[in-house]
Amino acid sequence: DAMVIQNPRYQVTQFGKPVTLSCSQTLNHNVMYWYQQKSSQAPKLLFHYYDKDFNNEADTPDNFQSRRPNTSFCFLDIRSPGLGDAAMYLCATSRDRGGSQPQHFGDGTRLSIL
Amino acid sequence: RKEVEQDPGPFNVPEGATVAFNCTYSNSASQSFFWYRQDCRKEPKLLMSVYSSGNEDGRFTAQLNRASQYISLLIRDSKLSDSATYLCVIYRDDKIIFGKGTRLHILP
Repeated sequence: DAMVIQNPRYQVTQFGKPVTLSCSQTLNHNVMYWYQQKSSQAPKLLFHYYDKDFNNEADTPDNFQSRRPNTSFCFLDIRSPGLGDAAMYLCATSRDRGGSQPQHFGDGTRLSIL
Repeated sequence: RKEVEQDPGPFNVPEGATVAFNCTYSNSASQSFFWYRQDCRKEPKLLMSVYSSGNEDGRFTAQLNRASQYISLLIRDSKLSDSATYLCVIYRDDKIIFGKGTRLHILP
C-alpha cells in the first residue's frame, strides 16, 4: 500500500508556466520534505514542513514555494519554471525530525519543461 | 571538500560475488547514518540504518567507523536484483545530507 503518494508521476509544462506538484501521506507523519534530484546527483532538499512550521533551505530559489494545508497534503509550486528546473521532484515524510527517523519517499514526479 | 563523499562507481561485479563500498563524512558531529537504495528513475528506499556496533540484515552488513569517519556497506552473494545506486545519508543537527551515490551493476 502506497504511503506517500505523489501526483502526477510525469508532468510536462511550458517555460514560465506555473506548475503545482502534489504529495499526500497516510502515515500521519509530522514532517514532510520536498527534494529536487537531477540525473546522477544527490537529492537536494528544497524545504520541509515540521507540522505547520515551514523551513526553507538557504539556497532554494524564490521560484519554489510550498503549501501544507493539513497533515496529509503538501504541495510544491514552481511559479515560473525554467529549463534548469527539469528534474525529478521527490516528496518524503518522517515521523519527526532528527536522525532517529528515516524518511519515506514517494515515487516522485518527473518534471519536463518545454 | 563535500560533507559526504562516495565513489560514484560504477562497480561491475559478477553475480554471487561480495562487494563493499564506503562513504566518508567530514563533520565529526554527524549523528545518524543510513544506507538508501535507489533504482533507476525511482525513489530512494531505506535499506538499513547504520549503528556503531555494526548491523546485519540478511546478505547486507553495515558498519560505522567514527574514528575514521566513514560508513560501509557489504553485500554478500550478490544478486542481479542488487543492481542499483546506493546512497549514503547522514543526519547532523536536524540537517540531512545525501551522498551522490555509488552505482552497482551485478553482471550475470
